[in-house]
Amino acid sequence: DAKTTQPNSMESNEEEPVHLPCNHSTISGTDYIHWYRQLPSQGPEYVIHGLTSNVNNRMASLAIAEDRKSSTLILHRATLRDAAVYYCIFNGVRGSNYKLTFGKGTLLTVNP
Amino acid sequence: GAVVSQHPSRVICKSGTSVKIECRSLDFQATTMFWYRQFPKQSLMLMATSNEGSKATYEQGVEKDKFLINHASLTLSTLTVTSAHPEDSSFYICSASGLTRTEAFFGQGTRLTVV
Repeated sequence: DAKTTQPNSMESNEEEPVHLPCNHSTISGTDYIHWYRQLPSQGPEYVIHGLTSNVNNRMASLAIAEDRKSSTLILHRATLRDAAVYYCIFNGVRGSNYKLTFGKGTLLTVNP
Repeated sequence: GAVVSQHPSRVICKSGTSVKIECRSLDFQATTMFWYRQFPKQSLMLMATSNEGSKATYEQGVEKDKFLINHASLTLSTLTVTSAHPEDSSFYICSASGLTRTEAFFGQGTRLTVV
């Protein structure tokens, strides 16, 4: 199993940045780091993914440590709609067999 | 982003009956689809991997005769819960990926309640 370690929960205030950490010490050189989030009673939503370099998109930024054993998802300005469970997952992309193993994730609470 | 549609979003059925859940990729060819189950306050648990045109691969502990998966086309996979029992009540979620995608896209989930 692809194991990641994330804090069970984190809390943030609205409009402030949020840094969600993830440890993935057993990651291999070809594994991608993915982040998904799940709002209550919904399916997971893709947030961002990366391999070695830091990545930015309209939702978030992904900072990847130089040794790739950890990464941080950065929400630059948290909103109430960002309250969700955030999952950090690593896996290789092997052709069409793209299998994700979910851990417990981090429950992010955003305070108004 | 790509859209994966799951239907129905909610279903209530009587114990002993069968329920079919559909998962469609609306704007890309999904060569592989995955089915997950999620119990309250728990994470997603992968049940099976389905590849178009071939038999599904089930995770350990998942009964293939109870959870029938069909992936007959590149845009549709179905999960049928046969002879449902109250303990099968759960949130079922599908995801789809394709050869040109590096991320997976998830359906909105189906809340199954067996009474």
